[in-house]
Amino acid sequence: DAGITQSPRHKVTETGTPVTLRCHQTENHRYMYWYRQDPGHGLRLIHYSYGVKDTDKGEVSDGYSVSRSKTEDFLLTLESATSSQTSVYFCAISGSGEDEQFFGPGTRLTVL
Amino acid sequence: GDSVTQMEGPVTLSEEAFLTINCTYTATGYPSLFWYVQYPGEGLQLLLKATKADDKGSNKGFEATYRKETTSFHLEKGSVQVSDSAVYFCALSLIQGAQKLVFGQGTRLTINP
Repeated sequence: DAGITQSPRHKVTETGTPVTLRCHQTENHRYMYWYRQDPGHGLRLIHYSYGVKDTDKGEVSDGYSVSRSKTEDFLLTLESATSSQTSVYFCAISGSGEDEQFFGPGTRLTVL
Repeated sequence: GDSVTQMEGPVTLSEEAFLTINCTYTATGYPSLFWYVQYPGEGLQLLLKATKADDKGSNKGFEATYRKETTSFHLEKGSVQVSDSAVYFCALSLIQGAQKLVFGQGTRLTINP
């Protein structure tokens, strides 16, 4: 299995609070991605990274920011969480020249 | 924009039944196509893929053929097992390098013994 961990695995927070989710990889892959999974929508791309300090927006980036200061870590931040951001968040990685993405176990976030 | 449409679920079958999960896509270019599977409580895993028209992807008894003329990539298996119970996602990607996947909504499959 690809070495991808996500932390925390579960989090309950209140509206208006900041939240940071962490994705850590041990594969030294270049590309990292954050998706959210919601019923009826499949997975939707939030942000992705193509290298250290290189990131770009995905389909549903509003309300989210990301940072990648090291190859192995990709952080997703909700500056002020809202109930609409209650979801399961997945991190994924892929290598240069590869078209398979490897997914982490997910983080279930509940915003009350 | 680019999109993927899967058949509505959930799908419930008996063990050893034939499975088809329909997937059609809309894309401006020539995408690569994927089926991912999600077992309960886990992340997604790549099941199979096809990168050009008429390619057939296969794995674990599952097959899907890239049909450019019908913009489809239907998933099939001749004889399903209880262990195949999972959620299946069809996806496409157009970009080389950073593979920005576009997913269908997922189809939940339950196999009864």
